[in-house]
Amino acid sequence: EAQVTQNPRYLITVTGKKLTVTCSQNMNHEYMSWYRQDPGLGLRQIYYSMNVEVTDKGDVPEGYKVSRKEKRNFPLILESPSPNQTSLYFCASSFRTGIAFFGQGTRLTVV
Amino acid sequence: GESVGLHLPTLSVQEGDNSIINCAYSNSASDYFIWYKQESGKGPQFIIDIRSNMDKRQGQRVTVLLNKTVKHLSLQIAATQPGDSAVYFCAEKNLLGNEKLTFGTGTRLTIIP
Repeated sequence: EAQVTQNPRYLITVTGKKLTVTCSQNMNHEYMSWYRQDPGLGLRQIYYSMNVEVTDKGDVPEGYKVSRKEKRNFPLILESPSPNQTSLYFCASSFRTGIAFFGQGTRLTVV
Repeated sequence: GESVGLHLPTLSVQEGDNSIINCAYSNSASDYFIWYKQESGKGPQFIIDIRSNMDKRQGQRVTVLLNKTVKHLSLQIAATQPGDSAVYFCAEKNLLGNEKLTFGTGTRLTIIP
């Protein structure tokens, strides 16, 4: 089954404790991206990757890092999480100019 | 800057009626538009898309209309069902750009039984 898989689905952490949210897709898509979703603000892009080893900032990259060492994986790293990073996070993947498929989301709470 | 907005944040429709969800965009360079449906606890799901060289596209019970003159698109859902209750997002991008999707803030559609 074609899918984008994120883990974990839910995470509660403390300020400053590094965490990684994993994202994996099985559709051989070149393009992957991370979004955060906040009430009243919709989905905003954090980082994206056009292919392996090619990443770039989206609209709200501050406080986040990503890596793309393999085509299927695109982890999101929060080196020192802060409460303003409490949000719902989505990973998406697509072929070039194709439809983006989204994961189920990761609800992160930073206390 | 770029923005994609929705006219109405909430919409309630009687089951069986048709619904129309509107979306305005501001980036005239956008040439590809997508409607997504997001159910509670799930990620956005693709519904229908349209390219800027078209002004109408139909799917199963859904139709997207694009008016480039006024930078407006709409999603029409025919014969609504309870399963249509969700938040609907429009998104836009430039096919020659960096693949970034710019999303609207969403409209919550509630189908009244």
